[in-house]
Amino acid sequence: NAGVTQTPKFQVLKTGQSMTLQCAQDMNHEYMSWYRQDPGMGLRLIHYSVGAGITDQGEVPNGYNVSRSTTEDFPLRLLSAAPSQTSVYFCATHQGRLSGNTIYFGEGSWLTVV
Amino acid sequence: GQNIDQPTEMTATEGAIVQINCTYQTSGFNGLFWYQQHAGEAPTFLSYNVLDGLEEKGRFSSFLSRSKGYSYLLLKELQMKDSASYLCAVRGETSYDKVIFGPGTSLSVIP
Repeated sequence: NAGVTQTPKFQVLKTGQSMTLQCAQDMNHEYMSWYRQDPGMGLRLIHYSVGAGITDQGEVPNGYNVSRSTTEDFPLRLLSAAPSQTSVYFCATHQGRLSGNTIYFGEGSWLTVV
Repeated sequence: GQNIDQPTEMTATEGAIVQINCTYQTSGFNGLFWYQQHAGEAPTFLSYNVLDGLEEKGRFSSFLSRSKGYSYLLLKELQMKDSASYLCAVRGETSYDKVIFGPGTSLSVIP
């Protein structure tokens, strides 16, 4: 059981480049989220989704796009990378408050923008 | 809007008890999580409170007071491996089940 799988684990980008962070889950969870974590800080919500075809913005959405075409996948796109987007990115899934109370995280993706 | 506050850093002695506080102001409330995160790793689930009171799970206990917007995580019989960041997170009262995390508390356990 893979759980939540994020790729790539490490990436270096040049300013202005675009890229996609992949997130896949095999737990059939409706809710998926992307967080970023900067040194010494907690997790800040970028975008989240409550099911296929439904997404919404979190606390820090600027510079990022998401889509949810299937239940399993929730990719995060950086349109034009900036040094301020250097961070660790975590994908997370859960079943929602009516079905479960645990949030499951991927292992993280370390992104450096130079 | 939502605001979650935790102390930035704490230090405690091996074998002792430590209490990590979390205060929150949110537009609605539908549960509070505590997560542990070791450096370079993903957060791991510790506890979940949705009703007032104390939830005990081994060496870890979590308390919630919804009227005060307050929670704490209690760690007993501290071990060196408990050195980590502890994240408080709140699920707001929305149909989208958005979960917002606090800044985290870095706990150092010393011999």
